[in-house]
This record gives sequence, C-alpha cells and structure tokens, in this order.
Amino acid sequence: QVQLLESGPGLVRPSETLSLTCSVSGTSLSRYYWSWIRQPPGRGPEWIGHIHYLGTTTYNSALMSRVTISLDTAKNEFSLKLTSLTAADTAVYYCAQYGSYLYWGQGTLVTVSS
Amino acid sequence: HSVLSQPPSVSGAPGQRVTISCTGNGSNIGAGYDAHWYRHVSGSAPKLIIYENTKRALGVPDRISGSKSDTSVYLAISGLQAEDEAHYYCQSFDNSLSGAVVFGGGTTLTV
Repeated sequence: QVQLLESGPGLVRPSETLSLTCSVSGTSLSRYYWSWIRQPPGRGPEWIGHIHYLGTTTYNSALMSRVTISLDTAKNEFSLKLTSLTAADTAVYYCAQYGSYLYWGQGTLVTVSS
Repeated sequence: HSVLSQPPSVSGAPGQRVTISCTGNGSNIGAGYDAHWYRHVSGSAPKLIIYENTKRALGVPDRISGSKSDTSVYLAISGLQAEDEAHYYCQSFDNSLSGAVVFGGGTTLTV
C-alpha cells in the first residue's frame, strides 16, 4: 500500500524559507508525478506544483518565483522549498502522488509567525 | 478563490439523498478533462471516492455516485449515514493555467 508522509518544521518565521520532505513507501518514485498541495485555514486546497519522475517540474504561476520541488530517488522522497514566507503561507501542506487523480499524505501544519 | 465552484455546505437527514455540484468552465471540466472527488476528515489524508467523473474508487459503496454535464460534475450520496459527515472536494485539470491542477473550495456535508 502506498504511503506518503510529510515532515518539516511546524513553525517558520516570516521572510524565511520553508523546507518540507515527503517520504514515500509502497511504490517507487520512478512513475507518475509527485505533487505538493496546501490548504490555508478555512479555504480550499491550492496546488503548489509537481515534479515528473524524469525531473521536469511544473509550478503554480502564482508561486513560481518562490517554489522549488526536487526528487531524491535513492531515498524515495521528494521535497518542497518555499522562500520569502509571509503569514499568507500558513497552511496544511500535503504531498501527493499524481497520475490523473491524487493519492494524498495526511498533511503537516505549517504556521508562519514571528 | 478556487477555480472550481462548490456550495460551501449541504445537509440532509439520515436516509436522505444529497447532491454536491462542482462547476468549472471551458478550460477545465468543459474542455473534457476528468474530474475527481475526495472525502476529507480533518486531520487525515483526503481520500479519493470518485475518479474520472463517474467511477467509484475501491471500497466506495454504490450509494455514492458521480455524474457529469457540460461544465459541471456532481457527487450524489443517497441513504445518508452519520459517517458521511465530512468535507468533499472536486479536482480537475485546467489548460489555461500552465499545467495546473485545480480544486473546488470544498463542501461540508452535515448529516
């Protein structure tokens, strides 16, 4: 059974960089796309971007200047970096496997606050 | 705001039927891209219940169904049970936004 588990800091200061990792078990990263999605409090999900198993990345145009998604097939994990954080980046961050539909991790809450 | 539009909330008594709509436009659902539905209970992973507009995911009972018409998709739940209380999200793809996965804002179902 495929499992995805997000890890990273729960609290980040404004202007700093968020780094999250998604550990994948039960499948290899050498298929599909691997996505990051976030959900701010009280709002719907927002797609951040994804990386193809061959390394091609696609990002939400609203976040493109601040986002980097990378893949580590040796560790079977992929990562998100989001720079220049503000309070508006406070959200539950999910990683997911993306074929046509999404297979989600359970998410991790990230709060941006001083 | 979300690209796909859903009603914020719906409710129904046990045993009744409810329908949740998800409306897009000609660059997503109306362009022929498949839509999918997820059930989400806070604190857990969102779970796929309907994929490719009408197909039930493994283990989903047949009292849950999906349909599509033009630029909208619909999730119907009949024989409502208390366990159906959750948030429901639709998701599709949009060709006007560079490679974008798009979502609805979510609907809270109260039984």
